[in-house]
Amino acid sequence: QVQLQESGPGLVKPSESLSLTCTVSGASISSYYWSWIRQPPGKGLEWIGYIYYSGTTNYNPSLKSRVTISVDTSKNQFSLKLSSVTAADTAVYYCARGAPIDVEKYFFDYWGQGTLVTVSS
Amino acid sequence: DIQMTQSPSSLSASVGDRVTITCRASQSISNYLNWYQQKPGKAPKLVIYAASSLQSGVPSRFSGSGSATDFTLTISSLQPEDFATYYCQQSYSPPPTFGGGTKVEIK
Repeated sequence: QVQLQESGPGLVKPSESLSLTCTVSGASISSYYWSWIRQPPGKGLEWIGYIYYSGTTNYNPSLKSRVTISVDTSKNQFSLKLSSVTAADTAVYYCARGAPIDVEKYFFDYWGQGTLVTVSS
Repeated sequence: DIQMTQSPSSLSASVGDRVTITCRASQSISNYLNWYQQKPGKAPKLVIYAASSLQSGVPSRFSGSGSATDFTLTISSLQPEDFATYYCQQSYSPPPTFGGGTKVEIK
């Protein structure tokens, strides 16, 4: 059974960087779009970006200047770094697996439980 | 970015009711439309992918239809465990975008 688990600090200071890791079990990081999605408290879902197993990345243009997603296939993990955070980045952050229907077209079939990251001094 | 608009934003229904949620895309997305169910404090769960394909393990009372810009999610007979917020999501053109959600509440 495929499982995803986010880990990382729950509190980050403004202007610093947010770093999260997603550990994948029950499946290999291959042939999928491994994504990060966030949800501010009480609001909707926003896709942050993905990394393909080959290392190819694609980011939401709204966050592109601040986002880096990387993968460690040896550990079956992928990671998110979001720099220069503000209170607007406070959200539950989910990692998810994007299962392809076609090239660059996918649905999110497995999700982590989510981790709340609060940006505050 | 492709904008996804859901209606209604919330609805009240009774157990056994037939419920329909609508999602409209700001441009044609073919059938690259997915639906998710989210319960409070939980991660979203995939219900329907590619507009009308039922995700494995999801009850058959859920169905999806539509193409191009207009899509619907139907629950044929609402069950207590179906009370949740439902989101549509397009994957036709990056970035993938979600609708604002439809909260299905108990009447």
